[in-house]
Amino acid sequence: DQQVKQNSPSLSVQEGRISILNCDYTNSMFDYFLWYKKYPAEGPTFLISISSIKDKNEDGRFTVFLNKSAKHLSLHIVPSQPGDSAVYFCAASANAGNMLTFGGGTRLMVKP
Amino acid sequence: EAGVTQSPTHLIKTRGQQATLRCSPISGHTSVYWYQQALGLGLQFLLWYDEGEERNRGNFPPRFSGRQFPNYSSELNVNALELEDSALYLCASSPGDRPYGYTFGSGTRLTVV
Repeated sequence: DQQVKQNSPSLSVQEGRISILNCDYTNSMFDYFLWYKKYPAEGPTFLISISSIKDKNEDGRFTVFLNKSAKHLSLHIVPSQPGDSAVYFCAASANAGNMLTFGGGTRLMVKP
Repeated sequence: EAGVTQSPTHLIKTRGQQATLRCSPISGHTSVYWYQQALGLGLQFLLWYDEGEERNRGNFPPRFSGRQFPNYSSELNVNALELEDSALYLCASSPGDRPYGYTFGSGTRLTVV
């Protein structure tokens, strides 16, 4: 039973345009959400997070939106750059716990 | 500041053997987490250690075990290896009181043949 799902395995975007990566979850106990970026042969690196008490968090070119009623979050990257090409994982935590549940990842390709 | 280091980078074992993977957390981090990333899948939570104690484990059989040493480094042991254990094993660390956004190592690629 996948509690965190990323339904798009891949996404291709032109440089300068917006990239939108989506994530759905089923566990209503999740109260903290994170996005990680992973390059080949490297471990995932933390990108941005959002608490369930907020619906938006922004950090430079990256914005995460949370829709609790729909159990959906999205990561917007504006403008997209070729260096953003990587696999993006969303993750969720319940009850301020330390264990993260990850989605399957979305491979983003930003074309020059 | 040195990041999370994992060794070995690659490991090839035969079915039925045992594998030992090692992780050194960032200095000052007391929590260590182990995740498995099988081919084409997301990261699956394996184990969480903090202050030398196992705090939580994921839905994996008992042949996956580990420990955390007094210097907070950690070991993951996989006994009676099966072909489906072939995966990237990632270790992460965090300060015990601030779990979010923890830092991952580059992983150990375990191949069971």
